[in-house]
Amino acid sequence: DQQVKQNSPSLSVQEGRISILNCDYTNSMFDYFLWYKKYPAEGPTFLISISSIKDKNEDGRFTVFLNKSAKHLSLHIVPSQPGDSAVYFCAASGGETSGSRLTFGEGTQLTVNP
Amino acid sequence: DTAVSQTPKYLVTQMGNDKSIKCEQNLGHDTMYWYKQDSKKFLKIMFSYNNKELIINETVPNRFSPKSPDKAHLNLHINSLELGDSAVYFCASSQEYGGAYNEQFFGPGTRLTVL
Repeated sequence: DQQVKQNSPSLSVQEGRISILNCDYTNSMFDYFLWYKKYPAEGPTFLISISSIKDKNEDGRFTVFLNKSAKHLSLHIVPSQPGDSAVYFCAASGGETSGSRLTFGEGTQLTVNP
Repeated sequence: DTAVSQTPKYLVTQMGNDKSIKCEQNLGHDTMYWYKQDSKKFLKIMFSYNNKELIINETVPNRFSPKSPDKAHLNLHINSLELGDSAVYFCASSQEYGGAYNEQFFGPGTRLTVL
């Protein structure tokens, strides 16, 4: 039962344009959402997060939007740069017994073309 | 200064062998984790330790045994390796257990190949 889904395995955008990565979840107990970025042969690195009490969080070129009614979140990168090319994982946590347990999506490979 | 380090980075071994992967974090964190990334690229939690105490133990075969000698180390020992154990194993740590705002810091991963 995949509770966090990233339906697009890959996304290709032109440098300078906006990249939009999507994530859907099914567990209504999730109350905290994170995006991680992963380069080949490295571990995932934390990028940005959002609590369920918010619908938007911005950090420089990165903005995460949360639509709780649709159980959907998205990561916007603008402007996109070639160095942003990586796999992006959406993750969620929450619920009384979850503690710090993170449930990850399967990742989206972003390629930013110069 | 590597925050979360794992050794070895690559591990190739025969079926039936016993192997260990070591993890160390120098962040002063209380909680450490092991994740498995399978061929479908899903990252799934296996274990979590908080202050050397096992907190999360997902449905992982008994052949997998984590060991935490101290807060900074969480090792993973695997007995009787099987082909299906081939994957990338990531260690991670977070400042504390519980609370929604604990971002996890990941090691570089150990690629295990069982022949």
